[in-house]
Amino acid sequence: ETGVTQTPRHLVMGMTNKKSLKCEQHLGHNAMYWYKQSAKKPLELMFVYSLEERVENNSVPSRFSPECPNSSHLFLHLHTLQPEDSALYLCASSQEGTTETQYFGPGTRLLVL
Amino acid sequence: EDQVTQSPEALRLQEGESSSLNCSYTVSGLRGLFWYRQDPGKGPEFLFTLYSAGEEKEKERLKATLTKKESFLHITAPKPEDSATYLCAVSLSSNTGKLIFGQGTTLQVKP
Repeated sequence: ETGVTQTPRHLVMGMTNKKSLKCEQHLGHNAMYWYKQSAKKPLELMFVYSLEERVENNSVPSRFSPECPNSSHLFLHLHTLQPEDSALYLCASSQEGTTETQYFGPGTRLLVL
Repeated sequence: EDQVTQSPEALRLQEGESSSLNCSYTVSGLRGLFWYRQDPGKGPEFLFTLYSAGEEKEKERLKATLTKKESFLHITAPKPEDSATYLCAVSLSSNTGKLIFGQGTTLQVKP
């Protein structure tokens, strides 16, 4: 595997379900990010982890819960979501202290029924 | 408020017809400006980073330029495979971990 990978690529869940999105980066980076991309809206930053510590939480509802067990893995735990949470969820990683360019994974397309 | 605006929202070109996409920004302190390409159903693919006014970068048919208020992505003699959504984002000198994205320009190149 190379770059940033995300699983699953597609997810359909009911409003009462609990699911998790997984992201793995193979670039040796020390920072990871979750973004939400909705139709006709700019990418919205949700969470930032630097050196495995959460450094930013952009007023995201508590039904989204991130977890970063190490510098290569990032999870987004989902529970009791709403239909308006349907979107493309993107993971990215970067190396802080250098160019800081963020490299993105392919995303998970989430549909909440 | 820090803001990034891209124009036009959509652009249709004939193959070979050169054009430019615009990204204007209003931020408290620019650290870097990034261009990405995004194909439908995929994650953004990194193209360029620009750091200072006057800087230019090129890759195949694409050339990105930066001024103190905006950036342009020039597309020379585009091909149908250049069809995609092009995203512009800025990072701030006060918060290097955060990118502020524009809404994107969707480019369609017809053969």
